[in-house]
Amino acid sequence: SQQGEEDPQALSIQEGENATMNCSYKTSINNLQWYRQNSGRGLVHLILIRSNEREKHSGRLRVTLDTSKKSSSLLITASRAADTASYFCATDGSGGSNYKLTFGKGTLLTVNP
Amino acid sequence: AAGVIQSPRHLIKEKRETATLKCYPIPRHDTVYWYQQGPGQDPQFLISFYEKMQSDKGSIPDRFSAQQFSDYHSELNMSSLELGDSALYFCASSLLEDTQYFGPGTRLTVL
Repeated sequence: SQQGEEDPQALSIQEGENATMNCSYKTSINNLQWYRQNSGRGLVHLILIRSNEREKHSGRLRVTLDTSKKSSSLLITASRAADTASYFCATDGSGGSNYKLTFGKGTLLTVNP
Repeated sequence: AAGVIQSPRHLIKEKRETATLKCYPIPRHDTVYWYQQGPGQDPQFLISFYEKMQSDKGSIPDRFSAQQFSDYHSELNMSSLELGDSALYFCASSLLEDTQYFGPGTRLTVL
């Protein structure tokens, strides 16, 4: 079953604007990670947030995690044309050795110059 | 910093042929994962290895097998290839439950 669902599926903004992407999941998690993928290319790790954390920052990225609502958001501030890519959230299972990642469908972000 | 290495980067095969994909994890990482990403799809977990032992298995067809060797590199063997096997295949490595770092992927095209 699909673990992560991303919202919106596609987002188009102007350079300099902020972009917010949301992710929901269904089961308990250890960690939630956000990845970026340029078309047909590899997955680049952006940020990891653990289940006991609520917010994390990295440069222009801000990630929040609400385990009660089983949701996370990724905020990219002051977007640039180079931020154009697909963004995926990925969760791993809680406990044991279940560290495989379950990905959401992804949000295609287009930043227009 | 060293990254995950995958080879080959591109592979074209005919139906019913076999393919072997290789993955070299980041040095000192103890866990390797394989994922498959179809066109326009999200990556799907196939199989993982921790310290050279299979640790988890996802939706991997019986036609596929994988192993991790003593030097920690891993190979994904795919037999009786089908058109639907055309996809990007990613390998990722991590220190157990920590961040998974992905390789650049192998694009497999089955004709």
